[in-house]
Amino acid sequence: EMQLVESGGGVVQPGGSLRLSCAASGFSFSSSWMNWVRQAPGKGLEWVANVNQDGGEKYYVDSVKGRFTISRDNAKNSLNLEMDSLRVDDTAVYYCAKSWVGAGGTRRFDLWGQGTPVIVSS
Amino acid sequence: IVLTQSPATLSLSPGERATLSCRASQSVGSYLAWYQQKPGQAPRLLIYDASDRATGVPPRFSGSGSGTDFTLTIRSLEPEDFAVYYCQHRSFFGGGTRMEIK
Repeated sequence: EMQLVESGGGVVQPGGSLRLSCAASGFSFSSSWMNWVRQAPGKGLEWVANVNQDGGEKYYVDSVKGRFTISRDNAKNSLNLEMDSLRVDDTAVYYCAKSWVGAGGTRRFDLWGQGTPVIVSS
Repeated sequence: IVLTQSPATLSLSPGERATLSCRASQSVGSYLAWYQQKPGQAPRLLIYDASDRATGVPPRFSGSGSGTDFTLTIRSLEPEDFAVYYCQHRSFFGGGTRMEIK
């Protein structure tokens, strides 16, 4: 069974740091683009960052550039998100998601984890 | 690219037909996906490339459209279909349509 399981969420003060992890199983992790997508309380979905199969390409939404770092370890089938300088508006459930990327950059998120909550509050 | 979904909320009864709209601010070809999200759960891929059903998705769900205008249709609503639906292209998501029981 294909599965993604996130961990590492919690409560942190503004300006603090947190590291999220995602454990993948049941599919070829090393062949897959991987993403972090977040959802603020009562709000819609926002793509945060992604990384290509070998970790050589990384992209971020503008609001997290310079503060968040996505990384992967294909030997351990794991995806990480290092979050620094956290702000109140980073409060959200963070989902790990596998994406299928096709010709012309078409992309769909075909497998999601259950999410891990991050609360930034003083 | 901005994806605008309408209506924001749709109130229907089980057995009725649901029509959800997603409009893109510029052409996205046929590269549009739809997701269903139930309370407390992760989103689930329903439709990709505008009209292809994902694995395990019931045939009552169908997608259509191309360019800037897309539609998700649910032929006869089941109780488990009442949820929030999002459209997506590349790294952009629409704001969602909440489908509630009338």
